[in-house]
Amino acid sequence: DAGITQSPRHKVTETGTPVTLRCHQTENHRYMYWYRQDPGHGLRLIHYSYGVKDTDKGEVSDGYSVSRSKTEDFLLTLESATSSQTSVYFCAISAPRSDTQYFGPGTRLTVL
Amino acid sequence: TQLLEQSPQFLSIQEGENLTVYCNSSSVFSSLQWYRQEPGEGPVLLVTVVTGGEVKKLKRLTFQFGDARKDSSLHITAAQTGDTGLYLCAVKAAGNKLTFGGGTRVLVKP
Repeated sequence: DAGITQSPRHKVTETGTPVTLRCHQTENHRYMYWYRQDPGHGLRLIHYSYGVKDTDKGEVSDGYSVSRSKTEDFLLTLESATSSQTSVYFCAISAPRSDTQYFGPGTRLTVL
Repeated sequence: TQLLEQSPQFLSIQEGENLTVYCNSSSVFSSLQWYRQEPGEGPVLLVTVVTGGEVKKLKRLTFQFGDARKDSSLHITAAQTGDTGLYLCAVKAAGNKLTFGGGTRVLVKP
């Protein structure tokens, strides 16, 4: 299994509070991704990174920001959580020119 | 409208039965992937198909890429309870990104 961990695995928070999710990899892969998964929508890309300090938006980036100060860590921040951001969040990694993405175990976030 | 439409959204069958799930689009793709996601875990790549008309087999799973490279199917023969999960198709987009379909949730009952 690819060495990807996500923390926390579960979180319950209140509307308006900031939340940071962490993705950590031990594979030294260049590309990292944050997705959210909601019923009927599969996985939708929030943000991705193609190197340290190099990030770009995905299709559902509103309300989210990311940072990558080290190859192994990719942080997803909800500056002010809303109930619509209740979801399961997955981190993934891939190597350049590789078709395969390896996924972490997910973080279940509930915003009350 | 999603780029990739998967059908059906949900499928419940008895162990030993066969099933087919579909992934359709109006766009042409250079390749298409299938992932399986078990409850409580992240998706795992099953196969990548790259040639129109290509058929790949993975034990009891048969994957086919349409001749026009716009669609794909996954057929499971003699389903087992271990086949239960969410099946996702995905295509590569620019910048090493993937676009996923909405998924088909398969439940195989003993």
